[in-house]
Amino acid sequence: DTAVSQTPKYLVTQMGNDKSIKCEQNLGHDTMYWYKQDSKKFLKIMFSYNNKELIINETVPNRFSPKSPDKAHLNLHINSLELGDSAVYFCASSPTGSGANVLTFGAGSRLTVL
Amino acid sequence: QKEVEQNSGPLSVPEGAIASLNCTYSDRGSQSFFWYRQYSGKSPELIMSIYSNGDKEDGRFTAQLNKASQYVSLLIRDSQPSDSATYLCAVIPTGTASKLTFGTGTRLQVTL
Repeated sequence: DTAVSQTPKYLVTQMGNDKSIKCEQNLGHDTMYWYKQDSKKFLKIMFSYNNKELIINETVPNRFSPKSPDKAHLNLHINSLELGDSAVYFCASSPTGSGANVLTFGAGSRLTVL
Repeated sequence: QKEVEQNSGPLSVPEGAIASLNCTYSDRGSQSFFWYRQYSGKSPELIMSIYSNGDKEDGRFTAQLNKASQYVSLLIRDSQPSDSATYLCAVIPTGTASKLTFGTGTRLQVTL
């Protein structure tokens, strides 16, 4: 049973298109995250939600809009895709209390913008 | 200055040797420190967490923290080819309860 699952695993699309990535966790964690890993392997936080509430919103273009319908799901919608958006996007989750900030990552979604 | 700095490597060690991976961080008030391992094409996975000065051992892995020097390291004893991966140091800076900040990682190659 996959703990943090993301779909799709691969996206290839043209500049200007809109795309979404979905994430679900079955660990019962309260906090979920989106991280972006660029071609140089630098892993940078984009957003964090705790129990459906946005708690971290890094300097990310408005074209990126996260949505958390419940604490087990965190989706990422990207409008007007640009070449620089090409990266691997990782969803992650963590518990509160003991073990907080210990992240469990999904397998990643590789986005290629042509 | 980057918040978390690591030498990108590759660090090459022979099988059976000790691999020493180093990380420095800029926020003196940081309290929580983590080492993640990432195999090529895979997601990061937690190896160790450390919160207090000193050493913390888990099997072949030892994390070392020196807050005065703003330095955290990971030692891997009896290195195996399966340890070949990128090792990411991560820190939670002051006042950012959930913002795990990663270094760029050190690529480790264990040679036969």
